[in-house]
Amino acid sequence: EADIYQTPRYLVIGTGKKITLECSQTMGHDKMYWYQQDPGMELHLIHYSYGVNSTEKGDLSSESTVSRIRTEHFPLTLESARPSHTSQYLCASSERGQGPQIYNEQFFGPGTRLTVL
Amino acid sequence: RKEVEQDPGPFNVPEGATVAFNCTYSNSASQSFFWYRQDCRKEPKLLMSVYSSGNEDGRFTAQLNRASQYISLLIRDSKLSDSATYLCVVKIGGYNKLIFGAGTRLAVHP
Repeated sequence: EADIYQTPRYLVIGTGKKITLECSQTMGHDKMYWYQQDPGMELHLIHYSYGVNSTEKGDLSSESTVSRIRTEHFPLTLESARPSHTSQYLCASSERGQGPQIYNEQFFGPGTRLTVL
Repeated sequence: RKEVEQDPGPFNVPEGATVAFNCTYSNSASQSFFWYRQDCRKEPKLLMSVYSSGNEDGRFTAQLNRASQYISLLIRDSKLSDSATYLCVVKIGGYNKLIFGAGTRLAVHP
């Protein structure tokens, strides 16, 4: 089993609230990712990080922000939640690749189901 | 057009059946290919990588056709525990970024 954790697992919150979704991994992985997935739809990459102090926006535009101050921790923050942010948010991590052709498996956390009323 | 297209299903099959899923991808620069499995309301987990020569892992066989930009997954002797959504995934570029298909849902019944 992968050692990657997300809290909270479920969150129901009102519009305008600031929220932070936590993600931690104990595998020492350099790379971490945040995906957004709506029911029955594909995962979309919204943020990723190659290491401490490295963050990049993903393929899907998101109003959320991330930080990477410690290797094991990659929190996602929404400053002002809106109903359109209702979705499942999945965090993942992988080892640093040995080269551009090498793929290292991404391990996923259990996800946070966010509902904004 | 989506970068990775899959038939959403559901595929409803009896135990012991053989079932095949197909997937097409649009970016010819795709370098690596995978099948992930996602159980209902759970996180995706890597099922198997897909190699150019085709590869097998127990009851699962994956094939890749780069010329047609087509990937397949064959499951033999289906088990009830195979019921899940199967995600076709491609890696584009050198930075471990993955593009996910929306998945094909499989339901195996007794």
